Parts: sequence; structure tokens; C-alpha cells
Amino acid sequence: DAGVIQSPRHEVTEMGQEVTLRCKPISGHNSLFWYRQTMMRGLELLIYFNNNVPIDDSGMPEDRFSAKMPNASFSTLKIQPSEPRDSAVYFCASSSSTGTDTQYFGPGTRLTVL
Amino acid sequence: SQQGEEDPQALSIQEGENATMNCSYKTSINNLQWYRQNSGRGLVHLILIRSNEREKHSGRLRVTLDTSKKSSSLLITASRAADTASYFCATDSNSGYALNFGKGTSLLVTP
Repeated sequence: DAGVIQSPRHEVTEMGQEVTLRCKPISGHNSLFWYRQTMMRGLELLIYFNNNVPIDDSGMPEDRFSAKMPNASFSTLKIQPSEPRDSAVYFCASSSSTGTDTQYFGPGTRLTVL
Repeated sequence: SQQGEEDPQALSIQEGENATMNCSYKTSINNLQWYRQNSGRGLVHLILIRSNEREKHSGRLRVTLDTSKKSSSLLITASRAADTASYFCATDSNSGYALNFGKGTSLLVTP
């Protein structure tokens, strides 16, 4: 199994630009999570999908953030427009259950907004 | 919200020594998990302990859970330089799906 796949691994962009992060969960997993990790705030849950449906997006910081899961094997997290304070590492994780059991994390996307 | 709080924030030991990290949480849980994160990588699941369990082993890892004190500990025995990483505890939340991660303990094992 390839594990959770994220792309790109690194993204450097300028303030105001649109950023799209991509995630392919582990095949057969029905729960998908997007997290953001910063030194100051640690690991924060942004949004949770179950069976491709967004269940909880209360962690999405602002309307500039949006996430989609068009099918069971693909999800995107979009930031438009990006701001320097969005700089962080964004992780995607998947789970075969509701998520309170083991979550499998991708390698993350390190985003730098200049 | 972050429920689990790891202690200490940083720990430096020599190879062969044991490393103990603690986690405290505030509300009742169904299970508690420990994850490891190597620099520049994603989190990797180490072990899950359920609320009705008191101790669990996996290789050189030993996890204890004291629900009366709302605390857990992770012991790594005979540490190796490759154990250098950040270690996070995660508790399940009332939502039934989300995990609450602490800010982690940064472990440095020197040869």
C-alpha cells in the first residue's frame, strides 16, 4: 500500500495567489482529515470528510479556505487568496473508521506564502 | 481544541537510556493514542490504548493509562538515535471522529 499521498510536498507562493493542495487517501478508507501544523498552534483539524461528505468544517479558519472530496480517492484543500499567516505544514490523514482509531498521515505539504 | 498536553516539551538522553514522556488530558476518553513525527515527515501511529486497558506493550514501547488521573505515559526502552523525533498523544473527542493532539515532546537521543 502506498499510504496517503500528498502533493505538492513544498509550495512557495506570493500573497494573494491561489494555492491548491492535493491528497489521495489510502484505498478503502472512508474518513479523511485535513490538518494544519504550526509551531505556535500545533496540529489543528481543519475539516473532516466521511464517505466523501464534509462532516465538520468548523476548523477551517476563514472563507478563504475551502475543501472538496469529489470521490473516495481524491481531496483538495484550496486557499484563495493566500496570506503569509497561512504558512504552515498541511497534512492529510485517512482512517478506515470514524477516525478515533488509527489515522494514517501523509507526508505533508510545506506551504510558504511570501 | 487541544486536550492532550505532553510533558516534558523537550527531552535529551543518550543512546541506551530509557525515555519517558507523559500526557495529561481533561475529559473522559474512549482511547488514547501515541504518534511519532520525524523531522519533515507526517505523523506515524505507534500505539493505541483503550480506556479499559492499563498497560500496553509494542516492542520497546510501553504505554500506561491511568483514567483516574487522566494521564498516560510512553516509555521507550533502550533508546536509539533513530528514536529522535517528536512524540504526540492524541485523545478522542466528544465528536466521535476527531482526535485532539497535544503539542508534543521533542526527543533527542544522542549516540
